[in-house]
Amino acid sequence: AQSVTQPDIHITVSEGASLELRCNYSYGATPYLFWYVQSPGQGLQLLLKYFSGDTLVQGIKGFEAEFKRSQSSFNLRKPSVHWSDAAEYFCAVAPLTGGFKTIFGAGTRLFVKA
Amino acid sequence: DADVTQTPRNRITKTGKRIMLECSQTKGHDRMYWYRQDPGLGLRLIYYSFDVKDINKGEISDGYSVSRQAQAKFSLSLESAIPNQTALYFCATSDSGSNYGYTFGSGTRLTVV
Repeated sequence: AQSVTQPDIHITVSEGASLELRCNYSYGATPYLFWYVQSPGQGLQLLLKYFSGDTLVQGIKGFEAEFKRSQSSFNLRKPSVHWSDAAEYFCAVAPLTGGFKTIFGAGTRLFVKA
Repeated sequence: DADVTQTPRNRITKTGKRIMLECSQTKGHDRMYWYRQDPGLGLRLIYYSFDVKDINKGEISDGYSVSRQAQAKFSLSLESAIPNQTALYFCATSDSGSNYGYTFGSGTRLTVV
């Protein structure tokens, strides 16, 4: 079955520290991969996406993610977290063909402490 | 104006009432989706529409119906609301030409009492 797993329900990091949010997927073939961010009271905003090619992708707000086929992972990273990064982050996958229905992980809530 | 607009933003309704959530978009996308968000469960797909004449059930369509009135408008109805339909509802759009991800509305917080 197709699924997306975000193992960490919540993570707390200090401002200025580095961040890594984990995402693993189960899919028949390499899908499209996405990370979205949801700030309080807002809809989801696309941070970055991977289709093919370079396995390290850059996104908005200083985020990057690395696709590792052998581990079926697509982890999100940021070198130095800012207080404004506190939000919920969702990993998602979608098929390369046959439509663009996206499957979302359960989300990881990021808390940033001063 | 926002690319994807959802109305209302918040709604409290009583059990058994019919309620409609509306979504309109200015992105020009032909694909539209309704998702439900519950804490710890992420987003689950209720219905999706790839064009005005193509509407499909998602994984949790029971108790819901939809109408695609135009390319830019996609509404979600709860025929007889029940408390476990209390959730945050999102409308999203995407382009059929390529999958560059979704554009989301700001959500409707629905409470059924």
